[in-house]
Amino acid sequence: SAVISQKPSRDICQRGTSLTIQCQVDSQVTMMFWYRQQPGQSLTLIATANQGSEATYESGFVIDKFPISRPNLTFSTLTVSNMSPEDSSIYLCSAFTGKGPYGYGYTFGSGTRLTVV
Amino acid sequence: GESVGLHLPTLSVQEGDNSIINCAYSNSASDYFIWYKQESGKGPQFIIDIRSNMDKRQGQRVTVLLNKTVKHLSLQIAATQPGDSAVYFCAEWGAQKLVFGQGTRLTINP
Repeated sequence: SAVISQKPSRDICQRGTSLTIQCQVDSQVTMMFWYRQQPGQSLTLIATANQGSEATYESGFVIDKFPISRPNLTFSTLTVSNMSPEDSSIYLCSAFTGKGPYGYGYTFGSGTRLTVV
Repeated sequence: GESVGLHLPTLSVQEGDNSIINCAYSNSASDYFIWYKQESGKGPQFIIDIRSNMDKRQGQRVTVLLNKTVKHLSLQIAATQPGDSAVYFCAEWGAQKLVFGQGTRLTINP
């Protein structure tokens, strides 16, 4: 299956600053997704990012806090804005890298571990 | 279903035994389900998937069972090995998104 690369893999940031996380897929994909995983918990979907349209955010997540870019079919960024310690979490990007959802190719990056101090 | 709670359920098994991990999903309209394995410091890794028109699917050492009547999934791992230690998540696909369940931490006793 395809490979998804995320960077940075981890960062420690000051409160009030912003961090942009990059996600690169080694093949063209239509749908990309951003998730948050708080310590010891499951994954929560932040938003869906499709190329050529604005991201669709889940309840509890807003564009001002988590702006997303999707400039082409292999790349996306998630920015965590005006950070507070509550934003400390693992952020994961994922994509369908197979032929639609009914198949093997739903892949995750290795995540970005963010600590806000 | 949606992630709830602060603590992952834990399942401990003896090496060589079979493991059964259960998951309740929330959306009766979900039509595709995936089990993922997540090791410490890594992203989720695909294990096995199943469509809603099936009730069982087998892979290498793993079997997924789907009971749509009670919205329940299970993952069976045969002859559990130390390398199977991880957190296991079920995920359901519906409404153009993949939603994760709570997760279960599997530990293997030697």
